[in-house]
Amino acid sequence: EAAVTQSPRNKVTVTGGNVTLSCRQTNSHNYMYWYRQDTGHGLRLIHYSYGAGNLQIGDVPDGYKATRTTQEDFFLLLELASPSQTSLYFCASSDGTGVYEQYFGPGTRLTVL
Amino acid sequence: GEQVEQRPPHLSVREGDSAVIICTYTDPNSYYFFWYKQEPGAGLQLLMKVFSSTEINEGQGFTVLLNKKDKQLSLNLTAAHPGDSAVYFCAVPRNNYAQGLTFGLGTRVSVFP
Repeated sequence: EAAVTQSPRNKVTVTGGNVTLSCRQTNSHNYMYWYRQDTGHGLRLIHYSYGAGNLQIGDVPDGYKATRTTQEDFFLLLELASPSQTSLYFCASSDGTGVYEQYFGPGTRLTVL
Repeated sequence: GEQVEQRPPHLSVREGDSAVIICTYTDPNSYYFFWYKQEPGAGLQLLMKVFSSTEINEGQGFTVLLNKKDKQLSLNLTAAHPGDSAVYFCAVPRNNYAQGLTFGLGTRVSVFP
């Protein structure tokens, strides 16, 4: 089973702050994804990547940047955090073959004051 | 793109009883589907992947039925036990199979003695 880790697990910042969420997967998966989870909205896709240096836009990309530095590492950047970005963020990976099932990390809870 | 409706949002089940969660999707060409389980404070755990060629899929203590005519996917919990208390999500691929998943809003299942 895929191993996906996220850091930090919890983060508190202030409005206008700069935040980077990190995700690492250790199973040589090509595809990685960032989702946010909010009550009443379920999980929504922010950005995803097919491989190092590649970035694709998801359904709710506004206010977020992402960067895939290696096959293992995918970062989500909030350069001017706003209270509306208070959420639970999940990273996932997929090997991109066959069924494309995704394996999720434990999540990062971000609070923007 | 694909849209998914999931119901009910909450489910209280007596231990030993059964329960059903239903998802309705829109894209008739979808042929992979997923059920995820989220326990409190944890990430999403893949419960089952379903292929459109198989109308009945069985796992440990549950059955997934696919009704392609009505574009419905159901998760049937049989003989619920306390370990089944969690939030359950159905998910279908967004547009193509590497472009992330569209999730239902989730069903919170509480199993009581």
